[in-house]
Amino acid sequence: DIRMTQSPSSLSASVGDRVTITCRASQSIDNNLNWYQQKPGRAPKVLIYAASTLQSGVPSRFRGSGSGTEFTLTISSLQPEDFASYYCQQSSSAPRFSFGPGTKVGIK
Amino acid sequence: QVQLVQSGAEVKKPGASVKVSCKAYGYTFSNYYFHWVRQAPGQGLEWMGMINPSSGRTAYAHRFQGRVTLTRDTSTTTVYMELSSLRSEDRAVYYCARDRGSVCGAECFLSEYLEHWGQGTLVSVSS
Repeated sequence: DIRMTQSPSSLSASVGDRVTITCRASQSIDNNLNWYQQKPGRAPKVLIYAASTLQSGVPSRFRGSGSGTEFTLTISSLQPEDFASYYCQQSSSAPRFSFGPGTKVGIK
Repeated sequence: QVQLVQSGAEVKKPGASVKVSCKAYGYTFSNYYFHWVRQAPGQGLEWMGMINPSSGRTAYAHRFQGRVTLTRDTSTTTVYMELSSLRSEDRAVYYCARDRGSVCGAECFLSEYLEHWGQGTLVSVSS
């Protein structure tokens, strides 16, 4: 099975900061990588799919990049509503689709 | 619009089973895959399995194989997740989610991304 890792596991940042989260796959998954945001007590919501495609309605300050085994999620200018946990998920190895362990973005 | 509505919170004893439902509204039920994802308190998301709602065929994460059963009822547009032999570590919020990917055949599995999510169901395990 494909294993996903994320770094860092948590970070503290200020409003306006640029934030980068890295996700790595244990083998190539081409561009079959999705990013989700989850706020406490809420279901996750997709931000980016196919590594770099912004889901409809998601602000353009979110950007995804990468292919193969290394991917990044960048928030260009952190906003108060962006303090949340972020998960990557691979959609390559049917029929088992694993998540990364998550990155919690907190307030500095 | 697409909506997934899950059943309410459950409290079970160790060794028992739990069955959580997820009713779908607002689209053609058999056309899109369903997944189940769980989240233990303070932990990350864990993919459990998926079901092809057209054929009923299922696939499970290895760690849940033999303990989880996904089913669907096309007449009520509902999918079910049953987890057996419950232990304290199974205390979690269980989510159903509908894939963006269309069903590609009776024996086929794929995923694009998890586009729509239920509200989550808390399952507690306590003696």
